[in-house]
Amino acid sequence: AQSVAQPEDQVNVAEGNPLTVKCTYSVSGNPYLFWYVQYPNRGLQFLLKYITGDNLVKGSYGFEAEFNKSQTSFHLKKPSALVSDSALYFCAVRGAGDDKIIFGKGTRLHILP
Amino acid sequence: GAVVSQHPSWVICKSGTSVKIECRSLDFQATTMFWYRQFPKQSLMLMATSNEGSKATYEQGVEKDKFLINHASLTLSTLTVTSAHPEDSSFYICSARGGGSGTDTQYFGPGTRLTVL
Repeated sequence: AQSVAQPEDQVNVAEGNPLTVKCTYSVSGNPYLFWYVQYPNRGLQFLLKYITGDNLVKGSYGFEAEFNKSQTSFHLKKPSALVSDSALYFCAVRGAGDDKIIFGKGTRLHILP
Repeated sequence: GAVVSQHPSWVICKSGTSVKIECRSLDFQATTMFWYRQFPKQSLMLMATSNEGSKATYEQGVEKDKFLINHASLTLSTLTVTSAHPEDSSFYICSARGGGSGTDTQYFGPGTRLTVL
């Protein structure tokens, strides 16, 4: 069965520091991996995805994520955090050939000014 | 590109009435649409998946007679909450996935906050 784990409910980072939001997954076959961000009372905004190719994926708003097959991880990173990055972040996975995305429980990111 | 809209953004209704929520893909054709429900401080719960012109596939535990889903065109899906009750109050989010090079990415609407009194 597919699953996604986001081990941290909340991550606090000082503005200007690098940030990492962790995600590990379990899926049969090759994974399609996604990161989404949700601001209060809004839907999810697509940040980036890994389907195939280069393990380091660059996305919107300066975010990037690294696909690590051996560790089954897809951590979200940003070199220098902004206060406006404060939001709820969801990691998601879909198995190749599957129709549905499975979401992690979400990690709330607080960027401290 | 890849914009999904929802209408209304919020709705308050009396118990026993029905509410319809629209989801539109504005700049692409959505061969597959998804409806999610999100409770406060929780992740998204998939309710159903619909393909254009076909009946929706509901997740286990979701009442298909209560949550009617119609995906009549490649740009529009509707969710109707029938005989709504206070426990149906929630944040409903639709998502769409289209054809072409973006077939692997789901794009989400802004959500609809439903409050049943």
